[in-house]
Amino acid sequence: ETGVTQTPRHLVMGMTNKKSLKCEQHLGHNAMYWYKQSAKKPLELMFVYNFKEQTENNSVPSRFSPECPNSSHLFLHLHTLQPEDSALYLCASSRSGTSGYGGNEQFFGPGTRLTVL
Amino acid sequence: GQNIDQPTEMTATEGAIVQINCTYQTSGFNGLFWYQQHAGEAPTFLSYNVLDGLEEKGRFSSFLSRSKGYSYLLLKELQMKDSASYLCAVRDQAGTALIFGKGTTLSVSS
Repeated sequence: ETGVTQTPRHLVMGMTNKKSLKCEQHLGHNAMYWYKQSAKKPLELMFVYNFKEQTENNSVPSRFSPECPNSSHLFLHLHTLQPEDSALYLCASSRSGTSGYGGNEQFFGPGTRLTVL
Repeated sequence: GQNIDQPTEMTATEGAIVQINCTYQTSGFNGLFWYQQHAGEAPTFLSYNVLDGLEEKGRFSSFLSRSKGYSYLLLKELQMKDSASYLCAVRDQAGTALIFGKGTTLSVSS
């Protein structure tokens, strides 16, 4: 068990739908991340939150809207998506900052496989 | 720009040793990570290097040369279960964000 859970695991939606992805971490971390993983492409960082504050938005289209109500929960709200947005969406968490032995590695959830029709 | 290069695919046989290389050009450097990802699963952390040299952890070792922008992951005594994608990632000086390579798909055959 990774300590990071994501729901739903699979999601099929039309381009006019509105849906939300949920991530929860049970590791006591203060930093949370959304990544997009498409076939034959590197993991793409989308958003970073440190202590509930968004610290990075990697030029993500506004049809993706993150929300971090507390350090344990992270949401990704989706609306008017395009078929090219179909991908695996991974959530991760880590200790915040760069101090501490071990490099503050990121722990990933199992991902949500999103298909946009 | 930020760039991380690693081979797309590698093949090896059970019991062998394989070395997966990674070269990087990033605006800053605050550590290099290797992750393993089996098909349909989440990436799992394998190793971390921030200083030059070799870090050994069981059958897996990782090496870093900061001056050369180069790392490798060494897998010994290969097993079928080692068939997976291996992701090289660098953390730049901006904080905790990681920049990932495309991953190397390793296929281990008997």
